[in-house]
Amino acid sequence: NAGVTQTPKFQVLKTGQSMTLQCAQDMNHNSMYWYRQDPGMGLRLIYYSASEGTTDKGEVPNGYNVSRLNKREFSLRLESAAPSQTSVYFCASSEAGAGETQYFGPGTRLLVL
Amino acid sequence: KQEVTQIPAALSVPEGENLVLNCSFTDSAIYNLQWFRQDPGKGLTSLLLIQSSQREQTSGRLNASLDKSSGRSTLYIAASQPGDSATYLCAVPNSGNTPLVFGKGTRLSVIA
Repeated sequence: NAGVTQTPKFQVLKTGQSMTLQCAQDMNHNSMYWYRQDPGMGLRLIYYSASEGTTDKGEVPNGYNVSRLNKREFSLRLESAAPSQTSVYFCASSEAGAGETQYFGPGTRLLVL
Repeated sequence: KQEVTQIPAALSVPEGENLVLNCSFTDSAIYNLQWFRQDPGKGLTSLLLIQSSQREQTSGRLNASLDKSSGRSTLYIAASQPGDSATYLCAVPNSGNTPLVFGKGTRLSVIA
């Protein structure tokens, strides 16, 4: 099992460009999450999907959109990237809800110039 | 709003020492508490999950305790090794299906 995979691993964007971060899990988990991690700010939740077909905002959703494509895949889209979105993005999944053990992907490092 | 604090932010110890990492949370109505490890440039790896009804959980040289009423958890690492060097994060959900709130972590360095 690959667990949680994320693509790309690293990306450089110019301000105003758009991109989609991809995440997939092969553990048949119901819940998936997108976090960003910034120095001094810790790990903050952007969006989550408690189950296939549902998505909810987290602590810092502005400037992002998500799609739960199917049970395996959960993508994060930046429509018009800003330098403030420079961060490391992590996708995670859990079997059923945030109260279960969460499994994290390796992260995507995004630099917005 | 739940807030999670981890003290100290960084810790350096000689190899072989036993050590304790601290985690505190403001709302004691938690469903469980989770400890994670993060190596530099990597994602988070789950270490231990303590249910709200439990007092402690053990895995190898790691022992995590939970005192809900005081809003505190500790992660005890016995006989530390250089391979234990990493950032350790704790996190709590307020209920089963609400998202985790993370502390900012304690960066541990074990010196050989």
